[in-house]
Amino acid sequence: QQQVKQSPQSLIVQKGGISIINCAYENTAFDYFPWYQQFPGKGPALLIAIRPDVSEKKEGRFTISFNKSAKQFSLHIMDSQPGDSATYFCAARSTGTASKLTFGTGTRLQVTL
Amino acid sequence: DVKVTQSSRYLVKRTGEKVFLECVQDMDHENMFWYRQDPGLGLRLIYFSYDVKMKEKGDIPEGYSVSREKKERFSLILESASTNQTSMYLCASSLAGAFSYEQYFGPGTRLTVT
Repeated sequence: QQQVKQSPQSLIVQKGGISIINCAYENTAFDYFPWYQQFPGKGPALLIAIRPDVSEKKEGRFTISFNKSAKQFSLHIMDSQPGDSATYFCAARSTGTASKLTFGTGTRLQVTL
Repeated sequence: DVKVTQSSRYLVKRTGEKVFLECVQDMDHENMFWYRQDPGLGLRLIYFSYDVKMKEKGDIPEGYSVSREKKERFSLILESASTNQTSMYLCASSLAGAFSYEQYFGPGTRLTVT
């Protein structure tokens, strides 16, 4: 019952390069789209989030691009650094009680020197 | 500082045992969640709770139950552990309302069922 599809599963980028992770969703009852970052041995933590009425949101080197008509959104990491090496999850929030999140399957990013 | 704690980092149990995983948050959050994380499958929601004594099934509730007797504590129960429940279990909490997309996660419990 996977409603958020994420790709690629893994990604290797050189230091200074751009990392791009893509997600697509099916359910139109989602009202917010956060990205989470998880380092080994830690729980995920919110990185950045976007509403569907906004096409782009930027926080430092991290940018979300959102295409509502295509039901797709992506995370761009500019000037990727070794410290960005982590697993990234996209998610979509359902409207309604408790507002649960549906997560993508995750992308393991490795930034090499 | 926001904090979600889980009772154990590592746990080894035998098939058929009853297993309790406990989660405590100190942020007065209304919502609490239990996920399991498996390679290639991401985070899958087991159960969640939006109020004391309230619970709702997530996407994979079979073989699990939960308890929320106090606002800050949310327990996951494996009634009869099986080897296919070997996984990383993550607890999370969030505010209700507009900012509920920000969930705060604990460090996880790696459960091995032998």
